[in-house]
Amino acid sequence: AQSVTQLGSHVSVSEGALVLLRCNYSSSVPPYLFWYVQYPNQGLQLLLKYTSAATLVKGINGFEAEFKKSETSFHLTKPSAHMSDAAEYFCAGRGVGGGSNYKLTFGKGTLLTVNP
Amino acid sequence: NAGVTQTPKFQVLKTGQSMTLQCAQDMNHNSMYWYRQDPGMGLRLIYYSASEGTTDKGEVPNGYNVSRLNKREFSLRLESAAPSQTSVYFCASSVTGQSYEQYFGPGTRLTVT
Repeated sequence: AQSVTQLGSHVSVSEGALVLLRCNYSSSVPPYLFWYVQYPNQGLQLLLKYTSAATLVKGINGFEAEFKKSETSFHLTKPSAHMSDAAEYFCAGRGVGGGSNYKLTFGKGTLLTVNP
Repeated sequence: NAGVTQTPKFQVLKTGQSMTLQCAQDMNHNSMYWYRQDPGMGLRLIYYSASEGTTDKGEVPNGYNVSRLNKREFSLRLESAAPSQTSVYFCASSVTGQSYEQYFGPGTRLTVT
């Protein structure tokens, strides 16, 4: 069974600082991995996804993530935080195969706070 | 395109009451999903429908039923609401296939007293 673990339920950075949100997965096969962002009182919006085409994936709003098979990680980064990045971020994964493997497994989320 | 829409946005129920949450998508997606979101728990899958005419249980199906009315619509029913079902409910849809992302609706905030 696949699981997704986000390290740190709350991350606080200063405006202009590096953003690093950690995600590790466990899977017997290479998964498909996604990062979503949720702004207050809204639904989830896709930031980026890994589908094995390239290990470094660029997303919207200046975010990117690198798939590292040896570390079973898919950490999300942004070089310089903006106040508008304050939100909750979810890592999610899906295994290969049919049937129930179409389901996404979500991490518990990381709340990003950006301080002026 | 409206994407994924959900109604209602807010609802307060008393214990034992029933209600149906509605979801519709206009992206011609085959797969649809219902999640609940609770603080510190992430999103947990309640039910999903891989294609029109099929539904399957997710991680937390107890106390819920679903209906895939047609390709566009997927409803979630609480037959006898309990305080433990107080949550934010999200509907999502996707193209069927592992590499495809899910698109989420704005959510329904449900309180059961």
